[in-house]
Amino acid sequence: EIVLTQSPGTLSLSPGERATLSCRASQSVSSSYLAWYQQKPGQAPRLLIYGASSRATGIPDRFGGSGSGTDFTLTITRLEPEDFAVYYCQQYGSSPKTFGQGTRVEIK
Amino acid sequence: EVQLLESGGGLVQPGGSLRLSCAASGFTFSSYAMNWVRQAPGKGLDWVSGISVSGTSTFYADSVKGRFTISRDNSKNTLYLHMNSLRAEDTAVYYCAKSSGSYSWFDPWGQGTLVTVSS
Repeated sequence: EIVLTQSPGTLSLSPGERATLSCRASQSVSSSYLAWYQQKPGQAPRLLIYGASSRATGIPDRFGGSGSGTDFTLTITRLEPEDFAVYYCQQYGSSPKTFGQGTRVEIK
Repeated sequence: EVQLLESGGGLVQPGGSLRLSCAASGFTFSSYAMNWVRQAPGKGLDWVSGISVSGTSTFYADSVKGRFTISRDNSKNTLYLHMNSLRAEDTAVYYCAKSSGSYSWFDPWGQGTLVTVSS
């Protein structure tokens, strides 16, 4: 099973600042089969990024994904008020399709 | 618009059973793999089970293998999760999610249904 470790656990930033979230895998993720999701309180997760760097339909271009192998990054270039949420990475290249434990982006 | 609507959650005693349903609309249900993902209160996401387009291939997390059964009825555009021998640690919101295949991301997700296992 591939274990995904996200860091930091919590990121305290102000609107307009840049957010950098990390996701490290315990072994190489096949073909960059890595996704990022956003979850707000009381809501279902929403797909942001798939294939490590492709934005899902309707996702603003301030969200960007990068990385390969075992190290992946989600970058939010300029935080908007609606971006404060919990973010999860997921690998879907091998079974079971594991998730990271999440990074909470909170308002400083 | 693609929609997934879960139902069937509720309070059940340890050792009991429950069947969750996920009604799909807005896409050709029979062309997509489907999954169940759960989230315990205040915790992260945990993949539970997946099923192929035809239903002939099924996949389970070790934590539920032998207790949960995933199935689908393509004529009714509905995904199911049959849960037996429920434990307190199965308490969670259960989401269904659509994926394009065995190696695909999950999009979209339903709104979830809460299962509480307690005496």
